[in-house]
Amino acid sequence: NAGVTQTPKFRVLKTGQSMTLLCAQDMNHEYMYWYRQDPGMGLRLIHYSVGEGTTAKGEVPDGYNVSRLKKQNFLLGLESAAPSQTSVYFCASSYLQGRAKATNEKLFFGSGTQLSVL
Amino acid sequence: EDKVVQSPLSLVVHEGDTVTLNCSYEVTNFRSLLWYKQEKKAPTFLFMLTSSGIEKKSGRLSSILDKKELFSILNITATQTGDSAIYLCAISGGGADGLTFGKGTHLIIQP
Repeated sequence: NAGVTQTPKFRVLKTGQSMTLLCAQDMNHEYMYWYRQDPGMGLRLIHYSVGEGTTAKGEVPDGYNVSRLKKQNFLLGLESAAPSQTSVYFCASSYLQGRAKATNEKLFFGSGTQLSVL
Repeated sequence: EDKVVQSPLSLVVHEGDTVTLNCSYEVTNFRSLLWYKQEKKAPTFLFMLTSSGIEKKSGRLSSILDKKELFSILNITATQTGDSAIYLCAISGGGADGLTFGKGTHLIIQP
């Protein structure tokens, strides 16, 4: 019952460093998402993917890149970290949406990554 | 642009009290409204509402949607300290970009 797994759980970076956050899901979900959560701001969408090999920008994509080379994995990259990217990052996945008979639209979340950029 | 507004942003009550959390929304296309509970880590799913007037219940929690007035409420009766959490409201427009979340209500239950 792994569900959605994020690694690492915690990370501290210096300004300008790069890193990759890994998200893996074992539910064969088509859609995957990266959100960031900041105090008083709720969850904001960074990037998302509707399937292997496809990605799209969300609400706050600047400073981040993503890749979905395999259906089960969704990677979030920070090429040059900035203090403004200090946040908690959540990965989520969901069933294929948009079909007329789809009734389950809930997202399944990973446990989050606490990232601090000094 | 889709918008979800939750109120209050924070609430402190005593154990045993009943609380009502509010969520109003403005969306271009509405498919469903979802409630999540977030304790220390990942948000966990509570309810999904798609039709007006149908109350969803799970133990002491219940929720109802008003699609005419564009709002939903989440009720928690006989609150317990374990109900302390951030409660998130989200809207699905049925698009590929998933859910639009409100800022959440931080609920604290005091013994």
